[in-house]
Amino acid sequence: SQQGEEDPQALSIQEGENATMNCSYKTSINNLQWYRQNSGRGLVHLILIRSNEREKHSGRLRVTLDTSKKSSSLLITASRAADTASYFCATDAAGGGADGLTFGKGTHLIIQP
Amino acid sequence: GAVVSQHPSWVICKSGTSVKIECRSLDFQATTMFWYRQFPKQSLMLMATSNEGSKATYEQGVEKDKFLINHASLTLSTLTVTSAHPEDSSFYICSARARDPTNYGYTFGSGTRLTVV
Repeated sequence: SQQGEEDPQALSIQEGENATMNCSYKTSINNLQWYRQNSGRGLVHLILIRSNEREKHSGRLRVTLDTSKKSSSLLITASRAADTASYFCATDAAGGGADGLTFGKGTHLIIQP
Repeated sequence: GAVVSQHPSWVICKSGTSVKIECRSLDFQATTMFWYRQFPKQSLMLMATSNEGSKATYEQGVEKDKFLINHASLTLSTLTVTSAHPEDSSFYICSARARDPTNYGYTFGSGTRLTVV
C-alpha cells in the first residue's frame, strides 16, 4: 500500500544547482531506499539507509533519515541534465520484509541546461 | 550483482486477449516475487506477493482471477493479465527478494509496458 509522501511533487532547477527532495512515511522501517526512474523506464537503485543510520553519502548523493519524524531527504549536488528523472523513496517495513517495498508518490526533477 | 530479467519489455495486445509477463532471477534464488503496477505519472503500487510454490497474496482491489501469478520455481515468476482491457494498460514491474538478501535485498526487473487496444 502507498504510504510515502514526497515533496515537492515536481522540482525544476538550473544545471549546477543542488536538488533536495523529501519523503515522509508512516510505519516502522528496517531501511529506506531511494530510486530513480527515467521516463518510461525501469527503476535504478540509488542508495539505501538503514533505520539505525542518520546520514549516508554516495557520490553526489546525500541521504538523511530521521526516524523520530519518519522522514528522509535526498540531496543531489551539482545537478546535471542527466539527473532529470522521477525520484521515489521506498520503505522496507520492519518485521521481516514480507510485504515488499512501499513507494512514495515521487518527485519529478527537471534539470534545465 | 543480482539481476532480474523481465520480458517482454513492451507489448501491445487486443482487448479481450491475455498477456503473460515473465520475470527470471538470473543468478540468485528468488524466494519471494513482488508485482507492481505503475500508471502514467504515478508511483508504483504493489499488486501481489508470491512465494515459490504457494499461492500469491493479492493487495486489496486487485482481482486475482484477472491477474494470474505463478511462481513455480525459485528463478521464474509469471504474471498473466487475462481478458485484458484498455484500463489494464500500464507499466508492470517485478521485484525479487532472495533467500539471503543482499544489502538491499530487492532486485527489480526492467518493467513491461502493456498497451491494450
